[in-house]
Amino acid sequence: QKEVEQNSGPLSVPEGAIASLNCTYSDRGSQSFFWYRQYSGKSPELIMFIYSNGDKEDGRFTAQLNKASQYVSLLIRDSQPSDSATYLCAVSYRDDKIIFGKGTRLHILP
Amino acid sequence: GAGVSQSPSNKVTEKGKDVELRCDPISGHTALYWYRQSLGQGLEFLIYFQGNSAPDKSGLPSDRFSAERTGGSVSTLTIQRTQQEDSAVYLCASSLGHNSPLHFGNGTRLTVT
Repeated sequence: QKEVEQNSGPLSVPEGAIASLNCTYSDRGSQSFFWYRQYSGKSPELIMFIYSNGDKEDGRFTAQLNKASQYVSLLIRDSQPSDSATYLCAVSYRDDKIIFGKGTRLHILP
Repeated sequence: GAGVSQSPSNKVTEKGKDVELRCDPISGHTALYWYRQSLGQGLEFLIYFQGNSAPDKSGLPSDRFSAERTGGSVSTLTIQRTQQEDSAVYLCASSLGHNSPLHFGNGTRLTVT
């Protein structure tokens, strides 16, 4: 059974602080990892993707991947109220099936 | 360029009727995925296509659901004899293939009365 687990939240973070979102996955053969942001009533939009162990930075966002521990995380620096949304972790398996976690609701407190 | 296009954007149908949902992927994208999202829930994987082939149909909820893709482009998701529990947003996404990120359409909101 291919599973992707996320804490549903809500995660409340003060404006300007760092938001840390975590995700674990079940299959060690997973190859690609994605973070999507979804605003209420809208479709998911890609924030970042990561393939290799370590960190990948893009502006205020950093994705971290640890394949040995089977987890991937997303850090959002200098959190803004506009970052308030549901963040979806997605994992691509060897057969190209892409499974999503249920998402973590993030609330940035002004 | 044009993104993933889904139609209709909204569909209200009576229980027992058949519905057909359409997805037009980004040009050149070989992979196409269908997901279902019920209110307040995550994305439920339904099916994906590599070209015109669907390697894994295990996500389809029942035999009332079917999907096809022709010419490596447009895909249709058909739900026969709709039930109220089929009410959800149906999302289509496409990608360049293996390990590539998905690009989503705006979804079709299906309401079964």
